[in-house]
Amino acid sequence: QQQVKQSPQSLIVQKGGISIINCAYENTAFDYFPWYQQFPGKGPALLIAIRPDVSEKKEGRFTISFNKSAKQFSLHIMDSQPGDSATYFCAASRGTGTASKLTFGTGTRLQVTL
Amino acid sequence: SAVISQKPSRDICQRGTSLTIQCQVDSQVTMMFWYRQQPGQSLTLIATANQGSEATYESGFVIDKFPISRPNLTFSTLTVSNMSPEDSSIYLCSVRLAGVGEQYFGPGTRLTVT
Repeated sequence: QQQVKQSPQSLIVQKGGISIINCAYENTAFDYFPWYQQFPGKGPALLIAIRPDVSEKKEGRFTISFNKSAKQFSLHIMDSQPGDSATYFCAASRGTGTASKLTFGTGTRLQVTL
Repeated sequence: SAVISQKPSRDICQRGTSLTIQCQVDSQVTMMFWYRQQPGQSLTLIATANQGSEATYESGFVIDKFPISRPNLTFSTLTVSNMSPEDSSIYLCSVRLAGVGEQYFGPGTRLTVT
């Protein structure tokens, strides 16, 4: 199975709150898990990525949590801001070499309200 | 990271015509990809653009419809041939950097076929 299941489809969070987006995968060979942020009319931008040798990676207000046994990973946005309103995509791949391809989740549209 | 530019940024084309999209990267990269993103949807890989050889197409995409060129390590083109309204979409160029394997996306070309 190559699918990556992402939830929720949409999310509304108040300013200052925590946004949580979840992804689950089936292929145990996946070992690279990036998250992308996409604003309307723009290409996806690489936000943060994790490999399964760590359970958590933090960059500023963005944190990836990774649960290898459950085959799940999630993105947490702390102190969410209106400027974080965008569509977020999780992805997974087996390695990052010439033969690897990213499998994308279906996306989560995040809206941060004042 | 990599800076990727695409031309044109958008176009409106008539049914039956063809459009060539250009992708330029600011550094030499090993892997270049072309994706399609329908409005409000996730990203679908069309093909991997191989330097000096024929592109590798994903299931459901064929060379006659989406011919791809990659004459060097910084440039690629995607042609959408004999267009129909179903080809209306955003087409994204993407590159993967050697070493860390991070993958970046261009700003996209928004194509509307009438």
